[in-house]
Amino acid sequence: QQQVKQSPQSLIVQKGGISIINCAYENTAFDYFPWYQQFPGKGPALLIAIRPDVSEKKEGRFTISFNKSAKQFSLHIMDSQPGDSATYFCAASTSAGGTSYGKLTFGQGTILTVHP
Amino acid sequence: EPEVTQTPSHQVTQMGQEVILRCVPISNHLYFYWYRQILGQKVEFLVSFYNNEISEKSEIFDDQFSVERPDGSNFTLKIRSTKLEDSAMYFCASGRYQETQYFGPGTRLLVL
Repeated sequence: QQQVKQSPQSLIVQKGGISIINCAYENTAFDYFPWYQQFPGKGPALLIAIRPDVSEKKEGRFTISFNKSAKQFSLHIMDSQPGDSATYFCAASTSAGGTSYGKLTFGQGTILTVHP
Repeated sequence: EPEVTQTPSHQVTQMGQEVILRCVPISNHLYFYWYRQILGQKVEFLVSFYNNEISEKSEIFDDQFSVERPDGSNFTLKIRSTKLEDSAMYFCASGRYQETQYFGPGTRLLVL
């Protein structure tokens, strides 16, 4: 029940295209859903995050869509660029008030390659 | 912009040896975490630390692991007797609030 399932494992997109990565969760106590970007040899970097009280959040070319009833959320990268080539992880956590102190449960990761 | 830093960047050790991985969290952060990532796999939570004590730990974080905040700025992860399966990238993270966690660059640990 603690798992976060992410798909696809890998994704190849042409420059200028839209990259879409999907995640699904089971634990309804999750109420914070960040996406992290990781370049080889580096730590995960927080990209964008959403709470379930909104269905969409946009920051520049990055958009999170959230479907609370389906327990799914996705990352859309518009106008994908070669510099976006990285591994993307979705994650989920339970906020204050519960017994979890922000422990992030990560998805398996998606290797995104954007061809020029 | 403040960053989480970790030392060393790489560590090679023999099985059974003790290792200490060090982290300097961002200075005004209150929540501290260790995660690990085995090569090619997802990032896994190890332990969270708040108010000078462990607040949560995973089943991976057994008696061989310990954490300390010895001087109010550093945050360390000790593995008492390393095993081959401890080989992984270890990430420290910190946050002013629980949710927004900032990760360090990691320490790659190789146990031979």
